[in-house]
Amino acid sequence: DAKTTQPPSMDCAEGRAANLPCNHSTISGNEYVYWYRQIHSQGPQYIIHGLKNNETNEMASLIITEDRKSSTLILPHATLRDTAVYYCIVRRNTNAGKSTFGDGTTLTVKP
Amino acid sequence: EAEVAQSPRYKITEKSQAVAFWCDPISGHATLYWYRQILGQGPELLVQFQDESVVDDSQLPKDRFSAERLKGVDSTLKIQPAELGDSAMYLCASSLGPDRGPYDFGPGTRLLVL
Repeated sequence: DAKTTQPPSMDCAEGRAANLPCNHSTISGNEYVYWYRQIHSQGPQYIIHGLKNNETNEMASLIITEDRKSSTLILPHATLRDTAVYYCIVRRNTNAGKSTFGDGTTLTVKP
Repeated sequence: EAEVAQSPRYKITEKSQAVAFWCDPISGHATLYWYRQILGQGPELLVQFQDESVVDDSQLPKDRFSAERLKGVDSTLKIQPAELGDSAMYLCASSLGPDRGPYDFGPGTRLLVL
């Protein structure tokens, strides 16, 4: 499975958009990009996923570059409760669909 | 909304003792995963089940760790004997299939080995 690279930490002002980048330059054609977040001492929470088209749901938007080598998770109006560790992972859509989590990005939303 | 259940939530044990963790996935989820998360790091896959069969246990320290999912529903992860380095969060996750749907994670079991 392709590995991902994320910045270790980012800050964002409350009410502003948070843009979290992820590099997955070795992604293959059958791998999806998934984003999760983990608030302190809780289990990771699914946010969004996509293959090659941009995706949006009630939590966030996912922008995947045309070559699929990188993506950006966008939280349009960050709140203090969005402070968490955000993980970007890639996952095959086959029976060997396990994923490798890196160390993620710690997003701190500041008042 | 259905959730993955795990118990206990916290466990303190002494080294060389045996510990066991339990996970009940979301109903209908055929794939179950056990992850270990050391403080400050991302989750690391220990074992993956498809129904009652182990699909991947390449990262499971088999000399002391064992996992089972006898009826293809709930699962137990055991450590015997526990070592100081086993102190971590143990997360269970489930999905409809290895290639279908996002993972749903449980709240985890935090283990402290003294």
